[in-house]
Amino acid sequence: QVQLVESGAEVKKPGASVMLSCKASGYAFTSHYLHWVRQAPGQGLEWMGMLNPFGGSTTYAQKFQGRVTMTRDTSTSTVYMELSSLTSEDTAVYYCARGFSGEMAFDIWGQGTMVTVSS
Amino acid sequence: QSALTQPRSVSGSPGQSVTISCTGTSSDFGGYNYVSWYQHHPGKAPKLMIYDVSKWPSGVPDRFSGSKSGNTASLAISGLQAEDEADYYCCSYAGSYTWVFGGGTKLTVL
Repeated sequence: QVQLVESGAEVKKPGASVMLSCKASGYAFTSHYLHWVRQAPGQGLEWMGMLNPFGGSTTYAQKFQGRVTMTRDTSTSTVYMELSSLTSEDTAVYYCARGFSGEMAFDIWGQGTMVTVSS
Repeated sequence: QSALTQPRSVSGSPGQSVTISCTGTSSDFGGYNYVSWYQHHPGKAPKLMIYDVSKWPSGVPDRFSGSKSGNTASLAISGLQAEDEADYYCCSYAGSYTWVFGGGTKLTVL
């Protein structure tokens, strides 16, 4: 079946970087955008950026520009999201999500990865 | 971009109807009819409930319906059921391959 499987929980110190992965299966990897969305404790969903697996182009939310990098490996149908210069405010659950309906909505979501930033 | 504005909470009794609003600016909605709604139970992945303002993905009951007028989108839920209790988020395409979510609304089924 169509699914996105994310990497496991991470604990990082302030100032460090974290790289998360999202492995797609059950569909043509290059046919749908992949997005990253996060939810900090007690907060709402926040769109971080997207990657087009076909050519690798990316768009990032202004808030994260300069600090986030999204890449993909088409041989393994995996998308990566690296976030640098972590602070406690980056403590959150991070989701990857597949684009749907002309890529304008998100129909399949990963299980979420908890990232904790703490000294 | 600022988050789209949603009420923090709404409530209703089983069988009743509720509506959740989602307000933005013309730049948030970008003049596009690409508003989607997500149901989010704590500890689970969000679920797509409505896309392109008013369309249903496969498997979503038609008790859920969406609409948009000007810079306000709405999600209506009729025949409330206990399992509808969750957080609901609107999301809009904002142009230039960017998206923005609403702040979220907690639905309580009394």
